[in-house]
Amino acid sequence: DIQMTQSPSSLSASVGDRVIITCRASQNIRRHLNWYQQKPGKAPKVLIYAASSLQSGVPSRFSGSGSGTDFTLTISSLQPEDFATYYCQQSYSTPRTFGQGTKVEIK
Amino acid sequence: EVQLVESGGGLVQPGWSLRLSCAASGFTFDDYAMHWIRQAPGKGLEWVSDISWNSGSIGYADFVKGRFTISRDNAKKSLYLEMNSLRTEDTAFYYCAKAEVMATGENWFDSWGQGTQVTVSS
Repeated sequence: DIQMTQSPSSLSASVGDRVIITCRASQNIRRHLNWYQQKPGKAPKVLIYAASSLQSGVPSRFSGSGSGTDFTLTISSLQPEDFATYYCQQSYSTPRTFGQGTKVEIK
Repeated sequence: EVQLVESGGGLVQPGWSLRLSCAASGFTFDDYAMHWIRQAPGKGLEWVSDISWNSGSIGYADFVKGRFTISRDNAKKSLYLEMNSLRTEDTAFYYCAKAEVMATGENWFDSWGQGTQVTVSS
């Protein structure tokens, strides 16, 4: 199975900050990497698919980059509604696997 | 608008069975692969199973192989998860999700249901 490792596990940031979350795959997954946001009590929603494609309706302050084994999710200017948990997920092979999540909290 | 509505969750004892359902609307159901994903209380997301548009390809996570069975009825626009020999560690919120795919093969979960709670406890 492909292991997905996110860092950090949590972070505290202020509104307006630039936030970067990283995700590392245990083997080459090309660009088969997706990012999801989950708020408490809600289902996850996709932000970025195929490493860098912005899902329709998602604000442009979210961006993704990377290929192979190393990927990043960047929030260019953190907004109050962005405080949530973020997960990366590989879709290269079965079983699909998720990172352990990064909780973004208010500083 | 895409809608996925799960049902069938509940409180059961270890060893018992449950059947989850996911009713789909707002898209051509039989064009898409579908997945089940779960989340234990306070934990991260865990992929459970998937099924191709025509049921020709099915996959399971190792921790449910031999106990869970995924199926779909395209005429009823419904996805199912038959869960047998349930264990306390199967306690989780179970989501169904629709899979979108690019021509180059990249795929992602573009729509999720609201989830249904499964609790396994004596």
